Amino acid sequence: EVQLVESGGALVQPGGSLRLSCAGTGFTFSRYWMHWVRQAPGKGLVWVSRLNSDGTTTDYADSVKGRFIISRDNAKNTLYLQMNSLRAEDTAVYYCARDIAAGQKGWFDPWGQGTLVTVSS
Amino acid sequence: DIQMTQSPSSVSASVGDRVTITCRASQGIRTWLAWYQQKPGKAPNLLIYAASSLQSGVPSRFSGSGSGTDFTLTISSLHPEDYATYYCQQANSLPITFGQGTRLEIK
Repeated sequence: EVQLVESGGALVQPGGSLRLSCAGTGFTFSRYWMHWVRQAPGKGLVWVSRLNSDGTTTDYADSVKGRFIISRDNAKNTLYLQMNSLRAEDTAVYYCARDIAAGQKGWFDPWGQGTLVTVSS
Repeated sequence: DIQMTQSPSSVSASVGDRVTITCRASQGIRTWLAWYQQKPGKAPNLLIYAASSLQSGVPSRFSGSGSGTDFTLTISSLHPEDYATYYCQQANSLPITFGQGTRLEIK
């Protein structure tokens, strides 16, 4: 079964840092582009970042550029999101998601279950 | 950035009804459009990609159409498990953007 499992969400103070992880199983992780998408409480979906299959090409939403870093370890089948200089508006459930096919497509399937990041003092 | 605008924002319908949700892009995106279903407390689930391609495992009562700037998601006959929020998403250009969502409620 193809599965993504996120971890690392927590309560963090404004200005703090956090690293999210997303472990992939049931597929050849190293062949797929991966993404992070977030959803603030009661709000819609917002794309955050993407990373190509070998980890050499990254893209970010303007709202997180310069503060968040996406990376991956294909030997561990794991995607990461290093979140620095966190703000209250970063509070959200963070989902990792895989492109539906090897090679960049931009359609997300599957998704992880999500991990909650709360930025508050 | 490409803005995606869904209408309506919410809709009430009965089991067995035909429901159509519309998504409009602020500029042409060819067929680089997907539809997702999200139930409360759960991750989104891909229904349709490339505007009209049904994702594997998704019931055939779901269909998508459109190209350029105007797109529709149609549920031909509502089932009880279809009550959820639906999002469109464009993948034509960065940043990838989603519509604001359409909540489908029981009438």
